[in-house]
Amino acid sequence: GAVVSQHPSWVICKSGTSVKIECRSLDFQATTMFWYRQFPKQSLMLMATSNEGSKATYEQGVEKDKFLINHASLTLSTLTVTSAHPEDSSFYICSARLSDKNNEQFFGPGTRLTVL
Amino acid sequence: GQNIDQPTEMTATEGAIVQINCTYQTSGFNGLFWYQQHAGEAPTFLSYNVLDGLEEKGRFSSFLSRSKGYSYLLLKELQMKDSASYLCAVDFNDYKLSFGAGTTVTVRA
Repeated sequence: GAVVSQHPSWVICKSGTSVKIECRSLDFQATTMFWYRQFPKQSLMLMATSNEGSKATYEQGVEKDKFLINHASLTLSTLTVTSAHPEDSSFYICSARLSDKNNEQFFGPGTRLTVL
Repeated sequence: GQNIDQPTEMTATEGAIVQINCTYQTSGFNGLFWYQQHAGEAPTFLSYNVLDGLEEKGRFSSFLSRSKGYSYLLLKELQMKDSASYLCAVDFNDYKLSFGAGTTVTVRA
């Protein structure tokens, strides 16, 4: 089956620093990847759609200058949380769409970010 | 905005059947997904419905009624490992998913 990986799986950083999270589709090409955020005991909230070769599209209320997305290749998208603050602490999950299979999205294992 | 409602918690006995309901009101509809999520892990795909009716896949079945904005996930022959959160999600626009808050299912011996 299609596999999506994320790196790192967890990260702890100081307030004010920037953190980069990678999302890779390991055995398929993904022209579109999605970034979600999940706070404890809440559901996944779509943050942005990452398109290979073009700018990401952000959902309402998500600051594009704070959450930088780069979809550098058909297998890699990165999310950079700039000037992180404690309220950015969350579980960040990416997904990739396998276009030839029922619109199914495959999710990465997630990245737990803790900002001190 | 998108509105997807499902119960917060359900408890059932091992071997029993549980039905998780989901109602939705979204700006668009390109299909409905059910995902299973264990604590601290990413969601895993269970089912996808785009047409009305029942889709059966082993112990799990999913039903959709587009006119009613309603779906359910049926879990049969419950096992302890089925204890997890079950997420209802609607593709509301160009593969973008809006998720419900999730239903935590606890299976008791």
